[in-house]
Amino acid sequence: EVQLLESGGGLVQPGGSLRLSCAASGFTFSTSDMTWVRQAAGKGLEWVSAIRGVDDSTEYVDSVKGRLTISRDKSKNMLYLQMKSLRVEDTAVYYCAKVRGSGWNLDYWGQGTLVTVSS
Amino acid sequence: EIVMTQSPATLSVSPGDGATLSCRASQSVSSYLAWYQQKPGQAPRLLIYDASTRATGIPARFSGSGSGTEFTLTISSLQSEDFAVYYCQHYSSWPLTFGGGTKVEI
Repeated sequence: EVQLLESGGGLVQPGGSLRLSCAASGFTFSTSDMTWVRQAAGKGLEWVSAIRGVDDSTEYVDSVKGRLTISRDKSKNMLYLQMKSLRVEDTAVYYCAKVRGSGWNLDYWGQGTLVTVSS
Repeated sequence: EIVMTQSPATLSVSPGDGATLSCRASQSVSSYLAWYQQKPGQAPRLLIYDASTRATGIPARFSGSGSGTEFTLTISSLQSEDFAVYYCQHYSSWPLTFGGGTKVEI
């Protein structure tokens, strides 16, 4: 059974940093493409970042480039999102999601972790 | 960036009715289009990928169609568990983008 379990969310001041983690199990994490998607309260879904399984190359939405960094530890089956220079508008539930395998559609999602950026 | 526009924003239906949800892309995404269902307090669930292929375990009452810029999600004979918000997402190019969602309510 595929499981994705996010952690690391919390309250942080504007300009602060946070690292989100996603523990993956039940599939071959090392070769899987993975993504982070966020959702502000009462709003829609916004794709944030992606990492390819084949070479760990990455993609980002423009609004987070230079501030958020996706990475993975294949030995621990862990996906990360390092967040710095956080802004109020980064406040959201952050989901990690597994890419189905053919095309960047997302077949398994974690339960999400809430990041609140506020003074 | 490809902008995905969903309509209507809200769809009021009764159990047993059919529902047709629309998704339009600002430029062609070929068939690189997925549909997700999200219930309150839950993560999204993949329903349809490649515009018309049902994901594993998805009931046959859900069907997708379209290509290029116009797509449709059809739910035949709505069940109580189908009342939720539905999102489309393209994966034709970077960045991936989602539509704003259609809420299907009683």
